[in-house]
Amino acid sequence: AQTVTQSQPEMSVQEAETVTLSCTYDTSENNYYLFWYKQPPSRQMILVIRQEAYKQQNATENRFSVNFQKAAKSFSLKISDSQLGDTAMYFCAFMNRVGGGSNYKLTFGKGTLLTVNP
Amino acid sequence: GAGVSQSPSNKVTEKGKDVELRCDPISGHTALYWYRQSLGQGLEFLIYFQGNSAPDKSGLPSDRFSAERTGGSVSTLTIQRTQQEDSAVYLCASSRLRTGEGYTFGSGTRLTVV
Repeated sequence: AQTVTQSQPEMSVQEAETVTLSCTYDTSENNYYLFWYKQPPSRQMILVIRQEAYKQQNATENRFSVNFQKAAKSFSLKISDSQLGDTAMYFCAFMNRVGGGSNYKLTFGKGTLLTVNP
Repeated sequence: GAGVSQSPSNKVTEKGKDVELRCDPISGHTALYWYRQSLGQGLEFLIYFQGNSAPDKSGLPSDRFSAERTGGSVSTLTIQRTQQEDSAVYLCASSRLRTGEGYTFGSGTRLTVV
């Protein structure tokens, strides 16, 4: 079974600074996807960034970027120029095809609560 | 619809009562998922629907939990004889099949059993 570990339950950063959230995962598969989701107090899970395991290039979405180290099974999220609106719970997630069928299953870490301070 | 819609947003129920939680996925999304998020915890998988069938219901914690989906659209998660440990946020998500795009989530139902 796949497992996702986020070792930082809570983090804080000053507005405009950069912060990195850690994530490691365990799998024996070669083809999979990795995600970071953001959950603000509204509870809405929002997709932040997605990485395909077969791509060596790290994904980037505006101020959000990842450092994907496939051999180390590491997938960290870097937030640049942090904004107050980035305050949220951040979940790392692993997705793979299951059962040889058409379903892709997401497995989540326990999350990191990020607080951006003014 | 444009997004995944869940109702009610919040539900308070007495221990021992039955509750029904509703999820209306994005139109055209064949796959539908239910997750449970307890305080301070990550997301725990409950059940997956492909169309109206549930190929994976391995995450349902007990036989008090059941779910159905009709017309390949709306899904209902039912919890019978609720217990205090059932208190959590129940999240629904949907996606297209055969894609690694990830899921689109609803805003969840916060269930409180008193």
